[in-house]
Amino acid sequence: NAGVTQTPKFQVLKTGQSMTLQCAQDMNHEYMSWYRQDPGMGLRLIHYSVGAGITDQGEVPNGYNVSRSTTEDFPLRLLSAAPSQTSVYFCASGSDFRTGSQHFGDGTRLSIL
Amino acid sequence: DQQVKQNSPSLSVQEGRISILNCDYTNSMFDYFLWYKKYPAEGPTFLISISSIKDKNEDGRFTVFLNKSAKHLSLHIVPSQPGDSAVYFCAASGPDNAGNMLTFGGGTRLMVKP
Repeated sequence: NAGVTQTPKFQVLKTGQSMTLQCAQDMNHEYMSWYRQDPGMGLRLIHYSVGAGITDQGEVPNGYNVSRSTTEDFPLRLLSAAPSQTSVYFCASGSDFRTGSQHFGDGTRLSIL
Repeated sequence: DQQVKQNSPSLSVQEGRISILNCDYTNSMFDYFLWYKKYPAEGPTFLISISSIKDKNEDGRFTVFLNKSAKHLSLHIVPSQPGDSAVYFCAASGPDNAGNMLTFGGGTRLMVKP
């Protein structure tokens, strides 16, 4: 009964470092996505995937990379961390986002110093 | 340019009264609208949705109203309970949205006072 699992929950990085935020779902959902949440900005879509091997850019993709080698996993990579990437990151999965079947993880709070 | 806007960052209501959360959108191609609720340190959870072919959808204490001509939707919570205190996000989707993904508003923090 795990749903969407994100790791780590918290992370502090130095500018220029790289890291991978992990996201795994056990509901066999085709759709997965990454959002960042910033104060007053709501959730903004970074990258999304409509199935294994298929990814595409969202609203704010610069500085991030994704891959989808399996249905279950959708990692988000920060290539060279910048202070502007300090945010809370949410991963979501669903069978049809338009009908509200999207399930979110509990988020990763990332600080870039 | 934000396509979905929630102009009230916060709202405070008394327990038992009605809470009305508002949302405006600019993209006339949006045809599906959702409300999500978020507690601190948790991910958003789906609350209620409405298709553009309807003007009202009700689920228990929660009702969403859609005014397409005004590009406006609202969420009514009646009666409000202290457990409803959370951040509420409206979201929209349309056929021209990337992969039918959702566009979110900035959120409204609702505080229900006992």
